[in-house]
Formats: sequence, C-alpha cells, structure tokens
Amino acid sequence: SQTIHQWPATLVQPVGSPLSLECTVEGTSNPNLYWYRQAAGRGLQLLFYSVGIGQISSEVPQNLSASRPQDRQFILSSKKLLLSDSGFYLCAWSTGLDQPQHFGDGTRLSIL
Amino acid sequence: GESVGLHLPTLSVQEGDNSIINCAYSNSASDYFIWYKQESGKGPQFIIDIRSNMDKRQGQRVTVLLNKTVKHLSLQIAATQPGDSAVYFCAENMGNTDKLIFGTGTRLQVFP
Repeated sequence: SQTIHQWPATLVQPVGSPLSLECTVEGTSNPNLYWYRQAAGRGLQLLFYSVGIGQISSEVPQNLSASRPQDRQFILSSKKLLLSDSGFYLCAWSTGLDQPQHFGDGTRLSIL
Repeated sequence: GESVGLHLPTLSVQEGDNSIINCAYSNSASDYFIWYKQESGKGPQFIIDIRSNMDKRQGQRVTVLLNKTVKHLSLQIAATQPGDSAVYFCAENMGNTDKLIFGTGTRLQVFP
C-alpha cells in the first residue's frame, strides 16, 4: 500500500532563517506531488505541484520554493523565513487527473 | 473567481443522528468532487469522491449527492458517532487539471 511521510511534525524557526521540509511517498511510481499551506481555521491553499522529477509549478508568488530531486521526494524550502510563513504545511500525492489526493500529517511551522 | 464554499461553518449533532454537510461550487466546468475529513493536528483524510456523470455515490455510512443544476454537493453521514467529529472539506477539480480547489471547511461536533 502507498504511504506518505512528512517531517518534521513541528518546527519553530526564527525570522530570517532557512527552511527545508521533506516529503516522501512509498508504494507508487511517478506520482503527482503537491505542497499546501493551511492557515488556522481555514482551507488549503495550493503552493506547488509537480508531475515529474524536476518539474515544479508554482501557484502563488511567495517566499518559498519547491524541488523534486527524486521521483517520490518533494522538498519545500526557503532561504529566509518571514513571520507570514507560519502555518500548517501539507504534502499530498495522487496518481493523476480525477483521482483523490492523499495527504501526509503535515508540519506545523511557527516563526518567531 | 471560481470558488468552492460551504453553507455552515459549524454543525452540531447528537450521537446516532444523521449529519448533512453542504457545499456550493461555482465552476460549471468542475467534473470531479471530493470530501475530506480532517482531525485536529492531522492531514485531510479522503472520504469519498464523485464524478460529474453521477448524482449519488455511497460508501460505508456516507453518501455524497451532487446536484449539477444548482451546483451543490452534500455529504451525508448516517448514525453519526463521536469519532466523526472533525472538520470536513469539499474540493473540486476543474476539468483537465490535476489541481483541487478546497472549500473553507465545516466543523462537525457530535455530542452524546
């Protein structure tokens, strides 16, 4: 069966520090991969999605970037964090069009 | 712009009763819809999906209804249990994309 892992589960970082969040998927090949951010009490905002290695689409202008160095690995990064980057970050995968996305358990990021 | 929204932000039901969570969508091009359940501190969990060529789909204790005429989606939970307490999101996939648009969520509270 397929599984998705995100780490760390929680992270507290100072303003201006770098960020690297990692997501890996097991049990499937060539998945579509997604990064979302969820503000407290709100819905999910799509940040990036990828349909293959090295292929990244950005949905909103922001302080973050994404990379996909391997088929089942998706990384969310920042060179200098802002206070507004605080939130709950979720990674998801799917097999493609008109298929459900399956989510990891997220990383709660707090910026001080 | 196009959006997915929910009529009720909070729904309180008694254990054993049926629950109905509603969702309105505005994009007539959407052809795939999903319901997710999100418990506190976790990622959204896939519940059930439906394609636009159907108007009803049933799962275990859950039923999704799609009314394309009025662009309305609902999730019915039979015999609601305390473990059903969570935030429920609807999401739509606009045709020919791999991206989902999420509503803002409805909190379901189950009391004894």
